[in-house]
Amino acid sequence: DGGITQSPKYLFRKEGQNVTLSCEQNLNHDAMYWYRQDPGQGLRLIYYSQIVNDFQKGDIAEGYSVSREKKESFPLTVTSAQKNPTAFYLCASSMGQGAYEQYFGPGTRLTVT
Amino acid sequence: RKEVEQDPGPFNVPEGATVAFNCTYSNSASQSFFWYRQDCRKEPKLLMSVYSSGNEDGRFTAQLNRASQYISLLIRDSKLSDSATYLCVVNAGFQKLVFGTGTRLLVSP
Repeated sequence: DGGITQSPKYLFRKEGQNVTLSCEQNLNHDAMYWYRQDPGQGLRLIYYSQIVNDFQKGDIAEGYSVSREKKESFPLTVTSAQKNPTAFYLCASSMGQGAYEQYFGPGTRLTVT
Repeated sequence: RKEVEQDPGPFNVPEGATVAFNCTYSNSASQSFFWYRQDCRKEPKLLMSVYSSGNEDGRFTAQLNRASQYISLLIRDSKLSDSATYLCVVNAGFQKLVFGTGTRLLVSP
């Protein structure tokens, strides 16, 4: 089955700890994205990548980091510098960037206390 | 003005009703438009792309009005399973998609 997987589904961390969220896709898509969604708000773009070993900051990149060492994988690290990390994190991919439909993974719900 | 604006609702309709949502966008250069559906605590799922000529998929019809910069989604013969939040999505130039905050639909028996 082709698709996007994210793990874990739920993640709990103590304040001050870095945490890495996994995102893998087997759709052979070139572009991958990370969004965060807070209750009652729209999706906000954190980082995106068009190609392996290249990525760009989105609208709210502060306190986050990413890597794109393989086409299939785009992990997101939430660092201790992120002031309000508790949120629903969604990974997406698309054939290309911009005009193409994006397909989402099931998301990771991160709670930091 | 927000890049993409939607009425948050909720729209409460009985089963079998027809319901329509509008969404306005601010970037006149936008070329791609989509509707996504998001169930509570789940990921958004692509419902349909919106083409210049409008398009239909079963009970769902999407229309684009470039002059007034809005897109619409019409749902006919509403089902209980249509209850969800509907996200309007527009590409903001080449760089990215912009997601609206969504319109919540509640279909009751």
